[in-house]
Amino acid sequence: GESVGLHLPTLSVQEGDNSIINCAYSNSASDYFIWYKQESGKGPQFIIDIRSNMDKRQGQRVTVLLNKTVKHLSLQIAATQPGDSAVYFCAETDNNDMRFGAGTRLTVKP
Amino acid sequence: DTGVSQNPRHKITKRGQNVTFRCDPISEHNRLYWYRQTLGQGPEFLTYFQNEAQLEKSRLLSDRFSAERPKGSFSTLEIQRTEQGDSAMYLCASSFYNMGETQYFGPGTRLLVL
Repeated sequence: GESVGLHLPTLSVQEGDNSIINCAYSNSASDYFIWYKQESGKGPQFIIDIRSNMDKRQGQRVTVLLNKTVKHLSLQIAATQPGDSAVYFCAETDNNDMRFGAGTRLTVKP
Repeated sequence: DTGVSQNPRHKITKRGQNVTFRCDPISEHNRLYWYRQTLGQGPEFLTYFQNEAQLEKSRLLSDRFSAERPKGSFSTLEIQRTEQGDSAMYLCASSFYNMGETQYFGPGTRLLVL
């Protein structure tokens, strides 16, 4: 989703549920996409990446899906844990610079 | 710790003063990036280096901002004549070009201009 100023999109899930965070990107020339997790007061932390020649990539408890037709990226977190609470950013790059989305705040309720 | 480090972690300064931040990238990484992040927003790209060459600097916010990486290792970001609007988190990231473009971020320097 889109956000303006301080109003980050938010997602609240119950511990143990699956989470899906969505991101729309704008540059059709982007060929590399990354999801980052950022906890309060810390720098973004790499979670998972995907290249434009793929539409799905799985990591440990995380899956990234890429739909180039509609320029949409999603991050799925399985069995969400309290430690997953953070702001999640998608980023896209065409090898010149990296552009970040506004972020989604994930809150995991125990 | 072999990650990206940044110093100082926090800086409070008065309007009009100059500030300089340092970034030490992961040692084998040849690319180094600077970003600015304001509250509630994603990081905003400023500039990047490949080794000691600054390959993109048109995104620096004004001519008060400058960055160097003289020996292709650590980098500094300087803001001259700071303004209250410069208050933000300044993030550094590094990557190894030709092995994917995954950028690894440092903890950032939080700047407050009074």
